[in-house]
Amino acid sequence: GENVEQHPSTLSVQEGDSAVIKCTYSDSASNYFPWYKQELGKGPQLIIDIRSNVGEKKDQRIAVTLNKTAKHFSLHITETQPEDSAVYFCAASKTSGTYKYIFGTGTRLKVLA
Amino acid sequence: AAGVIQSPRHLIKEKRETATLKCYPIPRHDTVYWYQQGPGQDPQFLISFYEKMQSDKGSIPDRFSAQQFSDYHSELNMSSLELGDSALYFCASSSQGDTEAFFGQGTRLTVV
Repeated sequence: GENVEQHPSTLSVQEGDSAVIKCTYSDSASNYFPWYKQELGKGPQLIIDIRSNVGEKKDQRIAVTLNKTAKHFSLHITETQPEDSAVYFCAASKTSGTYKYIFGTGTRLKVLA
Repeated sequence: AAGVIQSPRHLIKEKRETATLKCYPIPRHDTVYWYQQGPGQDPQFLISFYEKMQSDKGSIPDRFSAQQFSDYHSELNMSSLELGDSALYFCASSSQGDTEAFFGQGTRLTVV
């Protein structure tokens, strides 16, 4: 069945360093890849997304890259800040029919001051 | 901007009781998704609706049912509750033809 693998499960970085989270998807028909940030007790918040027709997208300190051939996509956070500490989920979806999201297992990012 | 509204935010039920969770999507969104998130787990897709019709079904137990109403709000009905049903239940909404889905704050269900 469809699944999304996400690594690492936990990540600790020093403030100001970069953080990278990687995901691999199984369904080659997937063509939309959002990233969500979930803070304690809150719902997942969309922070960035990428579609399969581009290889990279950047929004200030956050960037996402996509390798369709390898079915990999990654989240890059530069100049990390303590408020970046949260659980990050990747997801994969297909833009046909309704957009059921298959989530990765999450990465708990801790930014150490 | 209006967001996805879920109610209640917290719910405590006893085993074998029933629970109803409500979701009010962002205005003009016609698609609603329900997810279950256990402690330390990723969100698991339960079911989705588009234009009041069930559009996809995931790992939703037979004890659960859901529907979307004419005003696009959705309700998740859970019967014969079990301890393992304790989780955060998220609703998300999107507009067909637009891929971004936005999540509500979730309902924390505790079964005791």
